[in-house]
Amino acid sequence: QLQLQESGPGLVKPSETLSLTCTVSGGSISSSDMYWGWIRQPPGKGLEWIGMMYYSGNTYYNPSLKTRVTISVDTSKNQLSLRLSSVTAADAAVYYCARAVILAGSFDIWGQGTMLTVSS
Amino acid sequence: DIQMTQSPSTLSASVGDRVTITCRASQTISTWLAWYQQKPGKAPKLLIFKASNLESGVPSRFSGSGSGTDFTLTISSLQPDDFATYYCQHYNSFSPSCSFGQGTKLEIK
Repeated sequence: QLQLQESGPGLVKPSETLSLTCTVSGGSISSSDMYWGWIRQPPGKGLEWIGMMYYSGNTYYNPSLKTRVTISVDTSKNQLSLRLSSVTAADAAVYYCARAVILAGSFDIWGQGTMLTVSS
Repeated sequence: DIQMTQSPSTLSASVGDRVTITCRASQTISTWLAWYQQKPGKAPKLLIFKASNLESGVPSRFSGSGSGTDFTLTISSLQPDDFATYYCQHYNSFSPSCSFGQGTKLEIK
């Protein structure tokens, strides 16, 4: 069945750019009727939607993060990527990638998440 | 932006209880509302989509209802495995975006 696996550096210095990758296995990231998204969760806090993308290129971002976020898809590698620039301590969180069924408006498959620490 | 407000923030209940969690949208959202269950250290799990549709494999004791601005998640008879944090989530189909409620922690009484 479809599985998502996030990968990333674990530790980023303040003001640097975070890069995360989500590898999709057991299915194609080029599936129609799906968005591929990123959601984060600071320690002890709730979920925050970061953004999502359709495989053909349409992207949608949380307005509060829009100036710092880039989401992209590499269909040849079946991967989703997240870049977040100028990170601060407030960006420390578990970052999840997830698949959204467009017609349902919900995220039905999630990765296990990857923790980001921001420290010099 | 549409804001999602859950209540209560914390709920104490016993095994066998019927519990209801509420999610209110700051403006009408039709039935674009999902519910998730999250346990510590784990990714959220989809329970309900489009307000009242049970995700495949989710026990039938979970149900969702509502439309417009007011929505509820009901667990008909709490089981030990149900103690977790629950989130609602809105999807804006007109200008694709999402937002989550702040969460409701369901604790053992």
